[in-house]
Amino acid sequence: AQKVTQAQTEISVVEKEDVTLDCVYETRDTTYYLFWYKQPPSGELVFLIRRNSFDEQNEISGRYSWNFQKSTSSFNFTITASQVVDSAVYFCALSRDSGGGADGLTFGKGTHLIIQP
Amino acid sequence: DAGVIQSPRHEVTEMGQEVTLRCKPISGHDYLFWYRQTMMRGLELLIYFNNNVPIDDSGMPEDRFSAKMPNASFSTLKIQPSEPRDSAVYFCASRQIDVGGTEAFFGQGTRLTVV
Repeated sequence: AQKVTQAQTEISVVEKEDVTLDCVYETRDTTYYLFWYKQPPSGELVFLIRRNSFDEQNEISGRYSWNFQKSTSSFNFTITASQVVDSAVYFCALSRDSGGGADGLTFGKGTHLIIQP
Repeated sequence: DAGVIQSPRHEVTEMGQEVTLRCKPISGHDYLFWYRQTMMRGLELLIYFNNNVPIDDSGMPEDRFSAKMPNASFSTLKIQPSEPRDSAVYFCASRQIDVGGTEAFFGQGTRLTVV
């Protein structure tokens, strides 16, 4: 069975601080995909990043960066110089490889990030 | 493209009534997923389709729930009869087939309240 653990239920920081959201996953599959989604107060789910299990290269996109480490089964997400607009619930998710890409997603419980001005 | 379109956005119904949620996936997408979000259980996969065929319905909670995809541009999730514990936000998502693993795009969700 697959499992995603986001141990941080809620994080509150002051604007411009850096913040890291933790994600630990469990799977018996050798090929899988990892994702991060953002859910702002409006409720929609916004895709942020996808990672294949065979690609451990870290990625940076603007103020966002992701650290994928298979040795510790972790896929952590860092926001640098946080802004109030980053306030949202962030979900880490895991899926099998269906042969045609990512299977259905197993989500973590989410981390509620609050950026205070 | 307009993205994944779900209707209605909000639904309030009485216990025992039939509820039908609708989804129009992004044109050209081969996979369609139904998820449910509750405070207690978080986001759960209910069922997904590939080329209109149900592939995995192991997440469907019970026989009161059923999902169909009669064609590539439309899917329904039906609850009959509805119960208060079915109250949740139901999301539909779609993605293209890609051996590299594309991401799923989500609709805005349908907030269902069963009273």
